[in-house]
Amino acid sequence: DSGVTQTPKHLITATGQRVTLRCSPRSGDLSVYWYQQSLDQGLQFLIQYYNGEERAKGNILERFSAQQFPDLHSELNLSSLELGDSALYFCASSVDGGLGNEQFFGPGTRLTVL
Amino acid sequence: DAKTTQPPSMDCAEGRAANLPCNHSTISGNEYVYWYRQIHSQGPQYIIHGLKNNETNEMASLIITEDRKSSTLILPHATLRDTAVYYCIVRLDGGTSYGKLTFGQGTILTVHP
Repeated sequence: DSGVTQTPKHLITATGQRVTLRCSPRSGDLSVYWYQQSLDQGLQFLIQYYNGEERAKGNILERFSAQQFPDLHSELNLSSLELGDSALYFCASSVDGGLGNEQFFGPGTRLTVL
Repeated sequence: DAKTTQPPSMDCAEGRAANLPCNHSTISGNEYVYWYRQIHSQGPQYIIHGLKNNETNEMASLIITEDRKSSTLILPHATLRDTAVYYCIVRLDGGTSYGKLTFGQGTILTVHP
């Protein structure tokens, strides 16, 4: 158990819908990361937040957005869902984004868009 | 971040050492080598990281060549539970990359009884 929690575990929805994925980092970790893992793209970095502020951005679609709240939990919002958005979404946390601060990954949310 | 090259798959007998190679010939002086693994569809798990010295922890050893263009992750006594995809990642500290991890295809390690 990494200490990072993600809800829900599974999510099944239809195209065009909007969903919210939630992540609670390990106690004391200020940085939260979101990754997407699909069969054809592998594990891809989406976005990072540090203490409530966006710190780094990857290939995150405009239909996707995220935020980190004052209690440090984070939410990833996916809207206008397409079939290709079906994937595993992982959240990770670390003390900060610096070197040597390993990232601890949550168990993931499996999103299925029908 | 420097690109890495890993063999797509490897086999290892249970109880033997598993040696997983990684090439990172374009690595720069301030880039570190990280190893993570992913068991089935679980979240990736940090294993070890290093800059130029060899490193060891309770999970594994990391051997980095003197020119830093390649490295080897060693699992000293592989068990069936070590069957996973192993990712070698080279990353910068700070700058615009911050904590971003760039995962490649990794090596599928299968440990056999």
